[in-house]
Amino acid sequence: EVQLLDSGGGLVQPGGSLRLSCAASGFPFTSYTMNWVRQAPGKGLEWVSGISGSGDAAFYADAVKGRFTISRDNSKNTLYLQMNSLRAEDTAVYYCAKDIYSGRVGYFDDWGQGTLVTVSS
Amino acid sequence: DIQMTQSPSSLSASVGDGVTITCRASQSVRSYLNWYQQKPGKAPKLLISAASRLQRGVPSRFIGSGYGTDFTLTISSLQPEDFATYYCLHSHTSPSTFGQGTKVEVK
Repeated sequence: EVQLLDSGGGLVQPGGSLRLSCAASGFPFTSYTMNWVRQAPGKGLEWVSGISGSGDAAFYADAVKGRFTISRDNSKNTLYLQMNSLRAEDTAVYYCAKDIYSGRVGYFDDWGQGTLVTVSS
Repeated sequence: DIQMTQSPSSLSASVGDGVTITCRASQSVRSYLNWYQQKPGKAPKLLISAASRLQRGVPSRFIGSGYGTDFTLTISSLQPEDFATYYCLHSHTSPSTFGQGTKVEVK
């Protein structure tokens, strides 16, 4: 059974940093692109970033490019999202999501439970 | 980026009703169109991939169709557990983008 456990959310001031983690189990982690998808309070879903199974290709939405960095540790089956220069509009629940592809971003067949990031002074 | 437009943004229906949600892409996504269901406080759940492929364990009352720019999700007979928000997502090119969602509420 696929399990994705998101963690690392919290309250951070504008301009601050936060690192999210997603611990994965139940599938061959290196075989799949992994993604972060977010949902602002009361709003829809927004893909944020993805990283290929090998970790050699990273993809970002324009809204976070240059501020967020996605990475993965395949020895620990863990996905990360380093978020810098945070803004109020980054406030959202962040979901880790497993892709169906290995080398690109496609669509997402398994999701974590989400972790809430609140950017506020 | 390809824009996805869903309609309606919300609808009210009763148990047993048939409902249809539409998703339109700003350019062709061929059959790279997927549907999700999300309930409050929960992660989205994949219902249909490749426009019409029902995921394992998803009831057959969920029917996806379409190709190119116009797609539909039909729930043939609403059940109490189907009241939720539904999103389309294209996966044709990067970035994958979601529609804005359709909330199915109890009439």
